Amino acid sequence: DAGVTQSPTHLIKTRGQQVTLRCSPKSGHDTVSWYQQALGQGPQFIFQYYEEEERQRGNFPDRFSGHQFPNYSSELNVNALLLGDSALYLCASSFNDHRVNFPQDGYTFGSGTRLTVV
Amino acid sequence: LAKTTQPISMDSYEGQEVNITCSHNNIATNDYITWYQQFPSQGPRFIIQGYKTKVTNEVASLFIPADRKSSTLSLPRVSLSDTAVYYCLVGDQRNTDKLIFGTGTRLQVFP
Repeated sequence: DAGVTQSPTHLIKTRGQQVTLRCSPKSGHDTVSWYQQALGQGPQFIFQYYEEEERQRGNFPDRFSGHQFPNYSSELNVNALLLGDSALYLCASSFNDHRVNFPQDGYTFGSGTRLTVV
Repeated sequence: LAKTTQPISMDSYEGQEVNITCSHNNIATNDYITWYQQFPSQGPRFIIQGYKTKVTNEVASLFIPADRKSSTLSLPRVSLSDTAVYYCLVGDQRNTDKLIFGTGTRLQVFP
């Protein structure tokens, strides 16, 4: 059973450019969340997608946008890249079970995309 | 907002039991407590989750007192491969933006 797949694994971009990161959730999961993790810090929540809509959003500017497709896969887009956007971008998937307050097995994370902005 | 506080780092030796305590004084009624493990350049991995009392699975135990203002992750007989960062999270899936990872506890296991 494949877990969460993210692509690409590494990426180098120049300031001002745009980037698209991709995520395929774990089989059976319908919800995708994106996190940014700077070096030495814990992951910071960017946003969450469910039923092809952004459901929740963290404290990130509008330069960060996303999309979820009918097959539950998702993309994270970042426009006008800044040096400070350099980080590990993590995708996490879960199944949105409305009967409980929390996914029973937590969130399944991918290995991330390492983005370097130069 | 259920903020968590954990020790920044801990050291242990192979074969010992490790207990990592997390404080979450503002935990809400609907909040669950979840622990994740993260190795360098990998995504966090779910370890264990609980609401109250004690939860045990094949890799860890989670102890939660009656007031739920803290929790303790217990790793029995750690090995070198348990060297990682451990995060305590408190939240409700309906408020994912409130899931604050913090900086976690860096556990170093020595031979």
